[in-house]
Amino acid sequence: SQELEQSPQSLIVQEGKNLTINCTSSKTLYGLYWYKQKYGEGLIFLMMLQKGGEEKSHEKITAKLDEKKQQSSLHITASQPSHAGIYLCGADGGGNNRKLIWGLGTSLAVNP
Amino acid sequence: NAGVMQNPRHLVRRRGQEARLRCSPMKGHSHVYWYRQLPEEGLKFMVYLQKENIIDESGMPKERFSAEFPKEGPSILRIQQVVRGDSAAYFCASSPLLDQPQHFGDGTRLSIL
Repeated sequence: SQELEQSPQSLIVQEGKNLTINCTSSKTLYGLYWYKQKYGEGLIFLMMLQKGGEEKSHEKITAKLDEKKQQSSLHITASQPSHAGIYLCGADGGGNNRKLIWGLGTSLAVNP
Repeated sequence: NAGVMQNPRHLVRRRGQEARLRCSPMKGHSHVYWYRQLPEEGLKFMVYLQKENIIDESGMPKERFSAEFPKEGPSILRIQQVVRGDSAAYFCASSPLLDQPQHFGDGTRLSIL
């Protein structure tokens, strides 16, 4: 069965610094999704990647999917305290069921 | 456009009672997914439903758990005879089409006394 590994598990950065979170799959991905979760709340959709080599950006967050579609990275530029939270990657296997398999998450703290 | 609505936000039950968790998907969304989040274990898929049909329930325990998504009304996740191990956050997500991102509710946090 497919597994997703996220690294690092946790990250503490100074405000203004750049950071990268990685997500590695044991199998080729059909679709890779990035979400953010704040403690006690639901998941907020960030980005969806489906094509090998695809890169998407929104404000200061950029997500990439490698050509082999087994690894994705999430990069935050000039981090702010509002970026703090848990970042989760989810993968779907395509077909008629898009249930998501999840990594364990990366907990990000941004110190002002 | 309202997001995915889950209620209650918090639910406390004693062992042996029943728990009913409700999820109203976003307007126009016919695909509903339920996930469970346990500390240290992350999110796990439970069941995928479309209107009136269970498409995949491979992640749901065979006993005590059931789910439905009727033609009218919210999707319901039902847990009978709850045990301490059922304590978790249960999230519902919906999407309009298969290849569209899933949008999540704020979850129901179930505590078993």
